[in-house]
Amino acid sequence: RKEVEQDPGPFNVPEGATVAFNCTYSNSASQSFFWYRQDCRKEPKLLMSVYSSGNEDGRFTAQLNRASQYISLLIRDSKLSDSATYLCVVTGQSNTGKLIFGQGTTLQVKP
Amino acid sequence: GAGVSQSPRYKVAKRGQDVALRCDPISGHVSLFWYQQALGQGPEFLTYFQNEAQLDKSGLPSDRFFAERPEGSVSTLKIQRTQQEDSAVYLCASSLDGRSNQPQHFGDGTRLSIL
Repeated sequence: RKEVEQDPGPFNVPEGATVAFNCTYSNSASQSFFWYRQDCRKEPKLLMSVYSSGNEDGRFTAQLNRASQYISLLIRDSKLSDSATYLCVVTGQSNTGKLIFGQGTTLQVKP
Repeated sequence: GAGVSQSPRYKVAKRGQDVALRCDPISGHVSLFWYQQALGQGPEFLTYFQNEAQLDKSGLPSDRFFAERPEGSVSTLKIQRTQQEDSAVYLCASSLDGRSNQPQHFGDGTRLSIL
């Protein structure tokens, strides 16, 4: 079983749709949580950190449930430019900053 | 530019050859990470440096993989006697001090193909 599990998709949605991605992680000692975005043949880029209280950045909302070891990302009013792979990421137990990535969920927003 | 720089961008090698991949982190970043990303998968951790010290190499898949950062800045990932399963994108990332809440900045990666 992978340490971080995501539905790989692809998710095909029309512009303007709301889409939600989910992720579960197995290590209860993980301390930090992130969503990264990766465009085709590009490097991963930090989209947002995820906090227990939930946090929002424009059209993006991230939530963390430590008890269930579950992380989510909600994208409202999808744009064509949101098409990418979204990687759920947690830190390892050692707190060295080592990142553990999920497989990624592919989003394709269509006109 | 001020980002993480990796070279070469693409590398093709024959099975059995040795390869060396270079990473120039952001100036002043103490922590440096190497990841391996296979097609259709998320990146997987290989190794971690804090300055010149290699503090975690638990992700290196075999003793054919070796990484160094002798002066605490540029790092090299070397793969000896390459195999086809080594074909992947090798990503380097750096962060200011390696604490778990510090963002990691990734380079463009080296796309390695073993024939």
